[in-house]
Amino acid sequence: QVQLVESGGGVVQPGRSLRLSCAASGFTFSAYTLHWVRQTPDKGLEWVAVISFDEINKYYADSVKGRFIISRDNSKNTLYLQMNSLRADDTAVYFCARDDGDFDYWGQGTLVTVSS
Amino acid sequence: AIQMTQSPSSLSASVGDRVTITCRAGQGIRTNLAWYQQKPGKAPQLLIYTASSLHKGVPSRFSGSGSGTDFTLTISSLQPEDSATYYCLQDYSYPYTFGQGTKLEI
Repeated sequence: QVQLVESGGGVVQPGRSLRLSCAASGFTFSAYTLHWVRQTPDKGLEWVAVISFDEINKYYADSVKGRFIISRDNSKNTLYLQMNSLRADDTAVYFCARDDGDFDYWGQGTLVTVSS
Repeated sequence: AIQMTQSPSSLSASVGDRVTITCRAGQGIRTNLAWYQQKPGKAPQLLIYTASSLHKGVPSRFSGSGSGTDFTLTISSLQPEDSATYYCLQDYSYPYTFGQGTKLEI
């Protein structure tokens, strides 16, 4: 069955970096566009970034543009989110999601806390 | 970015009730709208895609309608397990944007 498993979350100081991973299984990873979505109690769900199946197209939310980088390794069935210059308002649960026209499968999420 | 305005923000209803949640887009998005259900501590789950298509395995009491800027999610006969928060999402153009959510209490 389709599975997406995020990892890499934790507590990090403002200004530092963190890399999230999303390990996929149960489907042809290289055929799908993938997204990162985050959630906070205050702001609800916020779309973060997307990467096409072939890595050619990438788009970012304005709030993370220039600081976050989405990438993937189709040989490892893994999606990444490199988060740099982290700020307190990046604190959230981060989900990866598969795009089959819509977000039909999601991971369980990984918590990122940015705090000194 | 296309703003998505969802209402109401919270709703209390009884088993068997019919409830409607609305989502308004800041500009026309054709039928590029999905609805998600999220329960505490869980990831969102797709209910409706392209405004009115029921995702596989979703009970038929859920339905969606609308196009352009105005959309609705209807639950025809509420069940206890429908207690959750519901979100709309426009996937017409990047950046994709979610509505603020509707917390439904049974």
